Amino acid sequence: GDSVTQMEGPVTLSEEAFLTINCTYTATGYPSLFWYVQYPGEGLQLLLKATKADDKGSNKGFEATYRKETTSFHLEKGSVQVSDSAVYFCALSGRNTDKLIFGTGTRLQVFP
Amino acid sequence: GAGVSQSPSNKVTEKGKDVELRCDPISGHTALYWYRQSLGQGLEFLIYFQGNSAPDKSGLPSDRFSAERTGGSVSTLTIQRTQQEDSAVYLCASSPQPGTGYNEQFFGPGTRLTVL
Repeated sequence: GDSVTQMEGPVTLSEEAFLTINCTYTATGYPSLFWYVQYPGEGLQLLLKATKADDKGSNKGFEATYRKETTSFHLEKGSVQVSDSAVYFCALSGRNTDKLIFGTGTRLQVFP
Repeated sequence: GAGVSQSPSNKVTEKGKDVELRCDPISGHTALYWYRQSLGQGLEFLIYFQGNSAPDKSGLPSDRFSAERTGGSVSTLTIQRTQQEDSAVYLCASSPQPGTGYNEQFFGPGTRLTVL
C-alpha cells in the first residue's frame, strides 16, 4: 500500500541555520503531497502542498518540490527561526480520495 | 471564523468502558475525517465521511470502533469495551470539497484518550 517515510528526529538547529527534512513516498499513480506542521499546544495545520510532478509548494519561507523520479518531497528552509520549532509531518493522498497517509513526523528544535 | 472543535479535550476511562468522542466540523464542510495519533503507530487514518455516509472505513482497527455523522455536520466516534492500546489522541478534520486528492484538511485540537 501507499506509505510515507521521513527522517527520524529530533532535528536540532541554531537560529538562521539551513533546514532539510527528508521525505520519500511509495504510491500507485500520482498522489498529492503535503507538509503539515504541529506547533506546541496547537492542532495540525497545512504548511504547503504540491499536486503534480515538479510542482513546488512554498509558505512561510519553507519550500518542497515534488520529485517523481526520486519519489521525494523534501522540506527546506534557508534560515530557521526559534518560532519554527514544531513537529513536521509529510503526507500524501491519492487521486479521488483525500485520505491522508502520514509519515511518522520529525520534531524540529531551533535554539537561539 | 470557527474552526473544527472536538470534545472532550481529555478523557480518562477504565478498561472495558465505552467512550464517545465528538467532532464539530467547520460549517459547510462536507467531508469529515477521523485520525488517531499514538506513540507506537504515528498518525493513522480511521474513517472518512462524505455527508452522512462513510465510503471509507478501512482504518477502523476493530469492530469495537464505530462512527456516525448526522445532518452532514456533527460526528461521533464510539469505542466500545476500551482497551489500553486504544489510548491515543483522536483527531478530527474537515474539508470543503472531498474526493479530489488535493484539498487541505482542517484539523481540530484532538481528544486525548487514556485507558487505565
